[in-house]
Amino acid sequence: SQQGEEDPQALSIQEGENATMNCSYKTSINNLQWYRQNSGRGLVHLILIRSNEREKHSGRLRVTLDTSKKSSSLLITASRAADTASYFCATVPNSGYSTLTFGKGTMLLVSP
Amino acid sequence: NAGVTQTPKFQVLKTGQSMTLQCAQDMNHNSMYWYRQDPGMGLRLIYYSASEGTTDKGEVPNGYNVSRLNKREFSLRLESAAPSQTSVYFCASMGGSYTGELFFGEGSRLTVL
Repeated sequence: SQQGEEDPQALSIQEGENATMNCSYKTSINNLQWYRQNSGRGLVHLILIRSNEREKHSGRLRVTLDTSKKSSSLLITASRAADTASYFCATVPNSGYSTLTFGKGTMLLVSP
Repeated sequence: NAGVTQTPKFQVLKTGQSMTLQCAQDMNHNSMYWYRQDPGMGLRLIYYSASEGTTDKGEVPNGYNVSRLNKREFSLRLESAAPSQTSVYFCASMGGSYTGELFFGEGSRLTVL
């Protein structure tokens, strides 16, 4: 079963605008990760945020985590056409050895 | 560095045929995974291997078998392919702690007629 659920399912913006994607999950987590997938390619890891962190930055990416609401957001600032891709959140449960569980993804289209 | 390499990239099978998807990683990672990706379903875990010599079922293991041949290689076998197994299959690996990031291959696109 899916642990994370991204919102919105699809997002269309213009170059230069900011893009915000949200992820909600159900159980206690060790960490939450965001991945990007370009069309026809494999997933690429973007950023990992641990359960004791509230915000993390990496270049034009900003991730927040609210464990009380079991939600995370990914903000891409000053979007470029090259940011067009699907974005997935993935969670690692906080219970022994486990595996990453992925959401269904948000498709982002950035138009020039 | 090649990272995670999957073969074949594309395959068409008839119902009932068998095939093996190969995966190899050159990053000396302990854990390896097989996911399938279907439209609107995200990625679902089929099988994983936490370390050489061990394999475990994921969320959707039925119809599949796996072999962790050595630390580098993790294969996925379809014994009798069904149209419901039409999907894109991704192999991934993770080094060190199991809470780290996954490194993915480029995918194997399988169609079962």
